[in-house]
Amino acid sequence: RKEVEQDPGPFNVPEGATVAFNCTYSNSASQSFFWYRQDCRKEPKLLMSVYSSGNEDGRFTAQLNRASQYISLLIRDSKLSDSATYLCVVNGRDTGFQKLVFGTGTRLLVSP
Amino acid sequence: DVKVTQSSRYLVKRTGEKVFLECVQDMDHENMFWYRQDPGLGLRLIYFSYDVKMKEKGDIPEGYSVSREKKERFSLILESASTNQTSMYLCASSFPQPQHFGDGTRLSIL
Repeated sequence: RKEVEQDPGPFNVPEGATVAFNCTYSNSASQSFFWYRQDCRKEPKLLMSVYSSGNEDGRFTAQLNRASQYISLLIRDSKLSDSATYLCVVNGRDTGFQKLVFGTGTRLLVSP
Repeated sequence: DVKVTQSSRYLVKRTGEKVFLECVQDMDHENMFWYRQDPGLGLRLIYFSYDVKMKEKGDIPEGYSVSREKKERFSLILESASTNQTSMYLCASSFPQPQHFGDGTRLSIL
């Protein structure tokens, strides 16, 4: 079983739509959680950290469910510029506290 | 803003060559990492370093080595390049989280 699993997509949505991605992780000791965004042939960039109580940054909302070991990302009012691959990222003590484990990503395509 | 700079965006080398990939960060970060990214496989950790002259193997260290003589610089070395090392190589730094990435080096081994 992969440490971090994501639906690869692609998710095809029209502009203005709301879209949600889920990610599951296998290490119950994981303590830090992030969503990164990666554009085609570019480096991953931090989109947002994910906190236990859930957090919001503009049109983006991240949730963490420790009991079920999943993380979600909700994007409201999708823009063309949101088209990218979204990487779910976790770490944990028994994988090395400073090390991160990256999911293979969920691809989002927003169309006019 | 954190700045992580990789020495080359694109590199073409021949089988058997010794290849050096350089990475420099300007934020005095303790931790530095080298990954490779391949389609369908995601990012895989090659080596990382918590401090100067310190290194630890990641998930796929075979065929690679690293050097960290100064805090800001972390080098990845392909001892004898092979075609299966053709990939996108990404350097990252952190203190302690999250990790910030360089632009990446797209390396082709012919």
